Amino acid sequence: EVQLLESGGGLVQPGGSLRLSCAASGFTFSTYAMSWVRQAPGKGLEWVSLIIGSGGSTYYADSVKGRFTISRDNSKNTLYLQMNSLRVEDTAVYYCAKLGAWWEMDNWGRGALVTVSS
Amino acid sequence: QAALTQPASVSGSPGQSITISCTGTSSDVGTYNLVSWYQQHPGKAPKVMIYEVSKRPSGVSNRFSGSKSGNTASLTISGLQAEDEADYYCCSYASSSTLVFGGGTKVTVL
Repeated sequence: EVQLLESGGGLVQPGGSLRLSCAASGFTFSTYAMSWVRQAPGKGLEWVSLIIGSGGSTYYADSVKGRFTISRDNSKNTLYLQMNSLRVEDTAVYYCAKLGAWWEMDNWGRGALVTVSS
Repeated sequence: QAALTQPASVSGSPGQSITISCTGTSSDVGTYNLVSWYQQHPGKAPKVMIYEVSKRPSGVSNRFSGSKSGNTASLTISGLQAEDEADYYCCSYASSSTLVFGGGTKVTVL
């Protein structure tokens, strides 16, 4: 059974930094691309970032480019999202998701809440 | 990376069929057959219902179906049931290995 478990969320001041982790199990982690998706309170889903299985290529939404960095440690079956220069509008539940062969997000974690507030 | 356009809400009575549209552009929905649909109940993580425009993952009811014409993809729920009441999001592959979601549609079962 595929399991994804996010951690590292919390309260941070504007301009601060936070690193999210997503521990994966139940599948060959290094074989699959992984993604972060966020959802602001009461709002819709927003794709944030994607990393291919090897970690060699990464992609970002314009809204986070230059501030967020996605990475993975395939030896630890863990996905990361380093978030710098955080803004109030980055407040959201952040989900990690496994990508299937057709770019669908076929498994999701339960999410980690990030609150950016002074 | 403009969001795909979905109606804010759609409703139907039990047993009826409803269709949710998802309009993009020639840079995403119109070019790639890589549209997926997600169901999200309140306080829960999203769940994939349709991928590659019209394919259903194992375990998803055949009451859910997907299609695409031009820049618009659609999700149809037939035989509407109370448990189908949820938010639904479309998502498309866009250029340069990025993804874009629709704004979401709240489905209400009357």
